Amino acid sequence: AQSVTQLGSHVSVSEGALVLLRCNYSSSVPPYLFWYVQYPNQGLQLLLKYTSAATLVKGINGFEAEFKKSETSFHLTKPSAHMSDAAEYFCAVSVMNSGYSTLTFGKGTMLLVSP
Amino acid sequence: EAGVTQFPSHSVIEKGQTVTLRCDPISGHDNLYWYRRVMGKEIKFLLHFVKESKQDESGMPNNRFLAERTGGTYSTLKVQPAELEDSGVYFCASSQTTLAGGPSEQFFGPGTRLTVL
Repeated sequence: AQSVTQLGSHVSVSEGALVLLRCNYSSSVPPYLFWYVQYPNQGLQLLLKYTSAATLVKGINGFEAEFKKSETSFHLTKPSAHMSDAAEYFCAVSVMNSGYSTLTFGKGTMLLVSP
Repeated sequence: EAGVTQFPSHSVIEKGQTVTLRCDPISGHDNLYWYRRVMGKEIKFLLHFVKESKQDESGMPNNRFLAERTGGTYSTLKVQPAELEDSGVYFCASSQTTLAGGPSEQFFGPGTRLTVL
């Protein structure tokens, strides 16, 4: 079985500062890893995904994440936070089973951006 | 192209009542998933349809929950009778048939917030 741990239920940054949201996973087989974002009153939107190609994955809105197998991590970063980045972020892991997959999520991290 | 839609957006019911949630996936998506987030906890998988068939329902909490996807289009999730612990946000997601190289992206609806009093 797989699991995801997101460190920090809330992360606060100033506008223009580096954003770092931490995610560690556990999986007995090579995983697929995802970051989703949820803005208020909206569904989850895919930011980026790792599917065993490049270990550094670039996503939408300037976000990127690096897959580190030795550390079982997939931390999300953005060099400079914008006010519009304030939202809840979810890390998720998926494995393929008989051609199908489901997502296992972390508890989420609320990103707060102050002026 | 319309995204995944869910109805209602909010539902407040009393313990013991019945509630039916509806999900309309993106047209052409064979895969439909239900997830639930109880307050303060992670989003958890409930079940997965491939067209009208239940591929995996290992996440369904108990037999008070019944999911259907007649005709392989929209899906309903009925809770009968509802209990206090059923409160949470129910998300639906859909995806295309999985291609080689990894899982297809799951597109999520806005969720239905269920409150059981």
